[in-house]
Amino acid sequence: RKEVEQDPGPFNVPEGATVAFNCTYSNSASQSFFWYRQDCRKEPKLLMSVYSSGNEDGRFTAQLNRASQYISLLIRDSKLSDSATYLCVVNYNDYKLSFGAGTTVTVRA
Amino acid sequence: DAGITQSPRHKVTETGTPVTLRCHQTENHRYMYWYRQDPGHGLRLIHYSYGVKDTDKGEVSDGYSVSRSKTEDFLLTLESATSSQTSVYFCAISDTATNEKLFFGSGTQLSVL
Repeated sequence: RKEVEQDPGPFNVPEGATVAFNCTYSNSASQSFFWYRQDCRKEPKLLMSVYSSGNEDGRFTAQLNRASQYISLLIRDSKLSDSATYLCVVNYNDYKLSFGAGTTVTVRA
Repeated sequence: DAGITQSPRHKVTETGTPVTLRCHQTENHRYMYWYRQDPGHGLRLIHYSYGVKDTDKGEVSDGYSVSRSKTEDFLLTLESATSSQTSVYFCAISDTATNEKLFFGSGTQLSVL
């Protein structure tokens, strides 16, 4: 079983729509959680950290559910520029992050 | 953007040849990492470094070695390249052991024929 699993998508949504997707992790000792964004053929970049109480950054909302071992990302009012692959990342040990394979979002005009 | 560069950006090589990829940073970050990214897989850690001459293995280290003789440079060597090592390789840096924020290089596309 993979340590971090994501629905690969793609999620195809029109501009202005809301899109949400989850990521599940297997190690209950996981300590910290992140969402990274990766554009096609580019390097991953940190989008946001995920805190226990949930957090927002503009149109992006991240939630953590430790009991069910998943994190979620919600994007409101989608823009064309939101089209990317979103990587779920879990840290359960110093130095070592576990990456999901990514969820692809395509926003259409 | 963080000052991190990888070279070469693209490389095609033949099975059995040694290959060295270079990662250079200007941020003076202590921690450096090599990952590979393949379709259907998340990024997988090959090796990492927590200081000059201090390195350790990641989850997919077989067939790879690393060296870090200076803070700014982290080299990844494929001792004898195989077709299964065809991949995109990313270097990353961090200033904390807990990886609160990783900065990635632009990647190296390696093809082993």
